[in-house]
Amino acid sequence: EVQLLESGGGLVLPGGSLRLSCAASGFTFSSYAMSWVRQAPGKGLEWVSAISGSGGNTYYADSVKGRFTISRDNSKNTLYLQMNSLRAEDTAVYYCAKDDRQQYFHYYMDVWGKGTTVTVSS
Amino acid sequence: SSELTQDPAVSVALGQTVRITCQGDSLRSYYASWYQQKPGQAPVLVIYAKNNRPSGIPDRFSGSSSGNTASLTITGAQAEDEADYYCNSRDSSDNHLFGGGTKLTVL
Repeated sequence: EVQLLESGGGLVLPGGSLRLSCAASGFTFSSYAMSWVRQAPGKGLEWVSAISGSGGNTYYADSVKGRFTISRDNSKNTLYLQMNSLRAEDTAVYYCAKDDRQQYFHYYMDVWGKGTTVTVSS
Repeated sequence: SSELTQDPAVSVALGQTVRITCQGDSLRSYYASWYQQKPGQAPVLVIYAKNNRPSGIPDRFSGSSSGNTASLTITGAQAEDEADYYCNSRDSSDNHLFGGGTKLTVL
């Protein structure tokens, strides 16, 4: 069974840091890009960042560029999101998702984890 | 523009057909995918590559596209289809875009 399991969320002070992890199983992890998507309380989905299967290419939303870093360890089937200089507006549920980019004209996220909650507050 | 626009809310009578739309310049170049999200749950992919359904998604869900508009159609809406629906596409920088979401109410 294909599964994604996020961890690492919690309460952090403004300006603080947190690292999220996403453990993948049931598919060839290194063959697929992966994304992080977040959802602030009562709000819609916001794509945050993506990384290619090899880890050689990374992509970021403007709202997190320069503060967040996505990475992966294909030997451990694990995706990471290092979040620095956190702000109140980063408070959200963070989902990791398998990101199918095998076709140029359509990218889609076909497997999602259950999410981990990040709260930035003093 | 790198935005996708959806109507905030749509309603449909039980068993009737409803169309949820998504507009954006990126849809002229790239296909949309659609996600269903129920309260307290993670999103679920229901349509990808304009009109493909993942395994397990009922065939009452279908997708279409014309110009800068993508549509998700539910033919014969069921009570369990009440949820938030989000469209998604890519842009020319390989980033993902999400629409603001449409809350579907089944009456």
